[in-house]
Amino acid sequence: DVKVTQSSRYLVKRTGEKVFLECVQDMDHENMFWYRQDPGLGLRLIYFSYDVKMKEKGDIPEGYSVSREKKERFSLILESASTNQTSMYLCASSWGRDEQYFGPGTRLTVT
Amino acid sequence: AQRVTQPEKLLSVFKGAPVELKCNYSYSGSPELFWYVQYSRQRLQLLLRHISRESIKGFTADLNKGETSFHLKKPFAQEEDSAMYYCALSPTQGGSEKLVFGKGTKLTVNP
Repeated sequence: DVKVTQSSRYLVKRTGEKVFLECVQDMDHENMFWYRQDPGLGLRLIYFSYDVKMKEKGDIPEGYSVSREKKERFSLILESASTNQTSMYLCASSWGRDEQYFGPGTRLTVT
Repeated sequence: AQRVTQPEKLLSVFKGAPVELKCNYSYSGSPELFWYVQYSRQRLQLLLRHISRESIKGFTADLNKGETSFHLKKPFAQEEDSAMYYCALSPTQGGSEKLVFGKGTKLTVNP
């Protein structure tokens, strides 16, 4: 079974803090993704990585950065958290155009 | 630009009734289309993809290129079908392995 894990289920941070969200997959997938999931807005792609150290901006990259130093790990970084970044963050991985496998999500609250 | 539209945010049916979740897409080429589902407190997962032409949990979806639609149907809804459903498109041209998601439809099946 493909397993995608995320470092935290719930996270509460203060405005201005630097926030790290970690995602690890155990199936040697080449592609990894970070999404935001908001009610009424669906899933929006923040960043996509198709190989180690390779990344591509998604639809809403502003305020975020990513790091992929190892194939199995994809980190999302909020350089200076703001209240409008309060959301559910989903990580996913895939082989090529195959099915995307999702993690359980991290619910981030920025106060 | 690629776009996926799910016109209903909420859909409520009674157990045993037919259900249809609508999905329309905008894409100039021949896309790959998917339905993903998220049950309460579970991670997002693939329900079905049009190229496999399978029926999963009684659900089917047919790609209608003329109407650019990929509606999800089930003849007799069950309470356990209550979930959030997302339609997604994978562009087959341009080499991208990203998915474009609709905003989702929340299905409630009442007893």
